[in-house]
Amino acid sequence: EPEVTQTPSHQVTQMGQEVILRCVPISNHLYFYWYRQILGQKVEFLVSFYNNEISEKSEIFDDQFSVERPDGSNFTLKIRSTKLEDSAMYFCASRDVGTPSYEQYFGPGTRLTVT
Amino acid sequence: AQSVSQHNHHVILSEAASLELGCNYSYGGTVNLFWYVQYPGQHLQLLLKYFSGDPLVKGIKGFEAEFIKSKFSFNLRKPSVQWSDTAEYFCAVNADTGNQFYFGTGTSLTVIP
Repeated sequence: EPEVTQTPSHQVTQMGQEVILRCVPISNHLYFYWYRQILGQKVEFLVSFYNNEISEKSEIFDDQFSVERPDGSNFTLKIRSTKLEDSAMYFCASRDVGTPSYEQYFGPGTRLTVT
Repeated sequence: AQSVSQHNHHVILSEAASLELGCNYSYGGTVNLFWYVQYPGQHLQLLLKYFSGDPLVKGIKGFEAEFIKSKFSFNLRKPSVQWSDTAEYFCAVNADTGNQFYFGTGTSLTVIP
């Protein structure tokens, strides 16, 4: 069964550094998402991406965040200058445009630790 | 804005006990409802979903959930839990006109053999 994959599984970075989290969505999916989960808190929506542009973003997704689909398979989340509070689990998800229930398929997550 | 509440933060049950996890949401329009499970060290997996039709939906591994529109609820049930059901359970809501999922805070289930 096709799966969403994410790399790396764990990323440790120093405050102020840039990080890029990578995701490979399911191949025939056209909607892509990033969510994050700070330890002990709920999973929060960051951004959705469709047709090579952001379709929706939350208040969390400020100017330090950006997303890109650099080629036909990868979907990346960049954090320009990381802060301690960016430490969280980041989940990528994708959806088939034909899914009537809007079901999203999630990757295993990248644990980002900012020191 | 939509919100999702899961009332039980941590549940501990013995094997063969029955399970019910509460989920309530706030949104007046048409919604799609989901329960996801996250086993230790693994990613979020879909347990079941509701988007139309019979409000009682059956999912994988013997789980079911009932959508009660008047109560804005979508509670998850299983008649007899197993040790392998130990996991984190998340309720999620997606408005029929929207794109993003709104998640509850999650319920950690521990099943004691």
